[in-house]
Amino acid sequence: DSGVTQTPKHLITATGQRVTLRCSPRSGDLSVYWYQQSLDQGLQFLIQYYNGEERAKGNILERFSAQQFPDLHSELNLSSLELGDSALYFCASSEDSYFYGYTFGSGTRLTVV
Amino acid sequence: DAKTTQPPSMDCAEGRAANLPCNHSTISGNEYVYWYRQIHSQGPQYIIHGLKNNETNEMASLIITEDRKSSTLILPHATLRDTAVYYCIVRAQTDSWGKFQFGAGTQVVVTP
Repeated sequence: DSGVTQTPKHLITATGQRVTLRCSPRSGDLSVYWYQQSLDQGLQFLIQYYNGEERAKGNILERFSAQQFPDLHSELNLSSLELGDSALYFCASSEDSYFYGYTFGSGTRLTVV
Repeated sequence: DAKTTQPPSMDCAEGRAANLPCNHSTISGNEYVYWYRQIHSQGPQYIIHGLKNNETNEMASLIITEDRKSSTLILPHATLRDTAVYYCIVRAQTDSWGKFQFGAGTQVVVTP
């Protein structure tokens, strides 16, 4: 157990639907990062939050959004889902922004049918 | 543009040392070399990082050449649990996250 909790572990939904993925960071970590891993794209950085504020954006689609709540948990919202959104979605957390301090969760596997 | 080049795959016998190469010929002076690994479909796991000196921790050793254009991750006594994709990544502490992503990595298979 890495200390980063992601729910649900698996999610199957239809095209056009909207889903919410949840991440609880490791105790004491203020930064949360979201990554997408699909078969043909590898691990891609989506977005970072630090203590409730958006800190950096990567290759995140406009149909996707995220937020970090006062208790530091984060949610990634995916809407108007397409088949190509099927992927593993990982959340990572860190105490600060240094890359070596990252702890990843076990991921949510999203399947869009 | 890819910042690192790694072999797509390599095999290693259990109990032997695994030496994973990485080329980063365009590395800048302020960029660190990081290694992460990902065991099948699990979240990536940090292994080690370094700037220019060789580094060692409980998991591995990192050897960086003097010109910093390449490095080698050494797993001293590979076990079956070390079978994973290993990612070599270069980035500066202040790099914008918007331009960063993991590459394809090296699939390491440790065999009995």
